[in-house]
Amino acid sequence: QSALTQPASVSGSPGQSITISCTGTSSDVGSYNLVSWYQHHPDKAPRLIIYEVNKRPSGVSHRFSGSKSGNTAFLTISGLQTEDEADYFCCSYVNSRILMIFGGGTTLTVL
Amino acid sequence: EVKLLESGGGLVQPGRSLRLSCETSGFIFSNHAMSWVRQAPGKGLEWVSFIGGGGSTNYADSVTGRFTISRDNSKDTLYLQMNNLKVEDTALYYCAKLFSSRPSEFDYWGQGILVTVSS
Repeated sequence: QSALTQPASVSGSPGQSITISCTGTSSDVGSYNLVSWYQHHPDKAPRLIIYEVNKRPSGVSHRFSGSKSGNTAFLTISGLQTEDEADYFCCSYVNSRILMIFGGGTTLTVL
Repeated sequence: EVKLLESGGGLVQPGRSLRLSCETSGFIFSNHAMSWVRQAPGKGLEWVSFIGGGGSTNYADSVTGRFTISRDNSKDTLYLQMNNLKVEDTALYYCAKLFSSRPSEFDYWGQGILVTVSS
């Protein structure tokens, strides 16, 4: 099972919106609405920001949103803030044996 | 406050063994599935292993037959026994709590513990 495909980096200016893609296959992203996204600042624990494609855990800003089309999931961050600068990973459920796979991660730079 | 604290990492030679521990607090440990996730240097996250609240287990193909996940609900602690370690097992290992009964997302993570496999 190959990792999900994410762009290595994206960038944006404060106040702008960016979208990060996460491409899998019909066996993972395309089969289940069980895609999650994590924000990871260096030397800190990863933080769940989106689950089940488009749901936000309590305490996560409404600036973070998720969607999916076919085998690709998307994370959109609107109203970029400097503290959004971090690595972002997607994750999808696969099946009852392998369980889940992650994307390679995308580094967001807020210019 | 939920806390996950990994320990037991370090430098080990190929072929040797290491046991990671993850002490937890702030939630009813026995009620929740747990996992280990790792990140090799410069790489993305990789799911390693899962254990359900009832003790069912799953492993990534890359570690099947070499790693064993277990839990001690009396100590609120998660373990990962790693045998026959390979250079490619070098990574930062995270302990993570499953968000729900579905093995699909993690709501809490530890800070990670470094395992380096090198001769």
